Amino acid sequence: GAVVSQHPSRVICKSGTSVKIECRSLDFQATTMFWYRQFPKKSLMLMATSNEGSKATYEQGVEKDKFLINHASLTLSTLTVTSAHPEDSSFYICSARRQANQPQHFGDGTRLSIL
Amino acid sequence: QKEVEQNSGPLSVPEGAIASLNCTYSDRGSQSFFWYRQYSGKSPELIMSIYSNGDKEDGRFTAQLNKASQYVSLLIRDSQPSDSATYLCAVANAGGTSYGKLTFGQGTILTVHP
Repeated sequence: GAVVSQHPSRVICKSGTSVKIECRSLDFQATTMFWYRQFPKKSLMLMATSNEGSKATYEQGVEKDKFLINHASLTLSTLTVTSAHPEDSSFYICSARRQANQPQHFGDGTRLSIL
Repeated sequence: QKEVEQNSGPLSVPEGAIASLNCTYSDRGSQSFFWYRQYSGKSPELIMSIYSNGDKEDGRFTAQLNKASQYVSLLIRDSQPSDSATYLCAVANAGGTSYGKLTFGQGTILTVHP
């Protein structure tokens, strides 16, 4: 089956710190990766779509300078939360898919807590 | 605004019963439909994908799609307590700049009691 690895699984850090989250597709090449955020008892909210070798497409209301996305290869995308503040605390989840209209497979998520 | 609607529940069924989860969507051009299971504190896990009208069965799970009615459902037979989770219906957007993006329903909480 399709395996997506996300690291780290949990981060606790001070306000003002930048945090980098990695998302890897382990057994397939992902033309597109997605980054989501989920608040408690809420559904997933898409933050951005990341295509290998091109700039990410951000959803309305998501600050691209705050949430830096790099998709350097067909198996790796990174999300960097710059100068994180307590309101950025959330569950961040990446997903990857082989082709359009194929299922997205999710990483295990990163629980980010900013003190 | 593309929408996916689910009954948030909670849906409670006894062990061994059939759990029926329903979902409607607004984008008539949608082509791909998915059911994900999400345990509390975990990320979503793909359960089923369905692309054409009719039924698709995989073990205890059956997905049903009716594009004319813009309706997709998931049946879980012989429900087990381990099936207790939130079930997310997801629809892939049909075209334009949103092509292939998933729109999620709010999820249905399923509880299977012994």
